[in-house]
Amino acid sequence: GNSVTQMEGPVTLSEEAFLTINCTYTATGYPSLFWYVQYPGEGLQLLLKATKADDKGSNKGFEATYRKETTSFHLEKGSVQVSDSAVYFCALSDHNRGSTLGRLYFGRGTQLTVWP
Amino acid sequence: EAQVTQNPRYLITVTGKKLTVTCSQNMNHEYMSWYRQDPGLGLRQIYYSMNVEVTDKGDVPEGYKVSRKEKRNFPLILESPSPNQTSLYFCASRPDSPNQPQHFGDGTRLSIL
Repeated sequence: GNSVTQMEGPVTLSEEAFLTINCTYTATGYPSLFWYVQYPGEGLQLLLKATKADDKGSNKGFEATYRKETTSFHLEKGSVQVSDSAVYFCALSDHNRGSTLGRLYFGRGTQLTVWP
Repeated sequence: EAQVTQNPRYLITVTGKKLTVTCSQNMNHEYMSWYRQDPGLGLRQIYYSMNVEVTDKGDVPEGYKVSRKEKRNFPLILESPSPNQTSLYFCASRPDSPNQPQHFGDGTRLSIL
């Protein structure tokens, strides 16, 4: 079946520190992979995505590379800001034909807090 | 503006009193879905709809109903709410392709006393 495992939080960093949030997945076939971000009191917003192996998604200084050999999609940012404080979710979209086509499977979320 | 709109945003109610959370999208998306978010559990899918008049159960459908009579609307119905349905609920939609990301509403926080 499909599942996503991401590192447990919370993660606390100082401003300008390097960020890595690990995400690994289990899937039948070749899913699309996403990172979503949830700011306090808001819904989820797409941060970045990758639809095939070796694709790199990037947005707002965040990056993640679709690694088929390690079934991973780790989120990285070279220098975090206070405004990056949020909950980050890794997710995969099932591409198998049938009733689960396009379903999103989420990790449990990682709370990031950045201090000035 | 392209968006998914949920109402109400907050609701406190009592056990057994039927309630409906509305969801509407203005992007002409085929696919719509409901999730609940609970601490430590992430998001879990309740129901989804691939298109009008087509709905199916997600991972946690017990105690919920949905309908998809028209493309833009996908209401979530709690016929007899119970305290274990106290949660934060999100509606989402996306185009037909599974490569496309889902767009989320701002959430509905339900408290069932």
